[in-house]
Amino acid sequence: RKEVEQDPGPFNVPEGATVAFNCTYSNSASQSFFWYRQDCRKEPKLLMSVYSSGNEDGRFTAQLNRASQYISLLIRDSKLSDSATYLCVVNGGGGSYIPTFGRGTSLIVHP
Amino acid sequence: GAGVSQSPRYKVAKRGQDVALRCDPISGHVSLFWYQQALGQGPEFLTYFQNEAQLDKSGLPSDRFFAERPEGSVSTLKIQRTQQEDSAVYLCASSTGNLYNEQFFGPGTRLTVL
Repeated sequence: RKEVEQDPGPFNVPEGATVAFNCTYSNSASQSFFWYRQDCRKEPKLLMSVYSSGNEDGRFTAQLNRASQYISLLIRDSKLSDSATYLCVVNGGGGSYIPTFGRGTSLIVHP
Repeated sequence: GAGVSQSPRYKVAKRGQDVALRCDPISGHVSLFWYQQALGQGPEFLTYFQNEAQLDKSGLPSDRFFAERPEGSVSTLKIQRTQQEDSAVYLCASSTGNLYNEQFFGPGTRLTVL
């Protein structure tokens, strides 16, 4: 079982839709969590950190559920420009500082 | 200011050839990571430096892979006797060193081994 798992999709949604991605992780001692966005043939870029209390940045909401060991990303009012791969990243745990990436979830927003 | 840069951006090597990939991190960033990303997959950790010290190299796939950061800034990932399975994008990232801080990625080097 991979340490960080994501549904690869693709999620194909119309503009204006709300879409949610989940990511599960296996190391219960993990300490920090992030969502990165990666456009085709580009490098990953930070979308948002994920805090225990949940956090929102405009149309994006991230949540952490430590008991069930998953994080989620909700995108409201999808835009064409949201089309990308969304990577879940889990850091730390058990003295490790190695960031572990999920394989990414592909989102395609169509007109 | 300048971000993370990597060179070359593209490299085609014949099987058995040695290659060297360079990473220039953001100035002042103590942490530097190398990742390997295959098509359709997320980045896979290769190795980690804090300043000039290589603290973890558990992700290096074989002893053909070697990384260094002798002065705590620029880093080089070297692959000896390249094989076709080494074909991938090699990403470098730097950060201020805190687990809770963002990693900044370079554009990657796309390596194709024929």
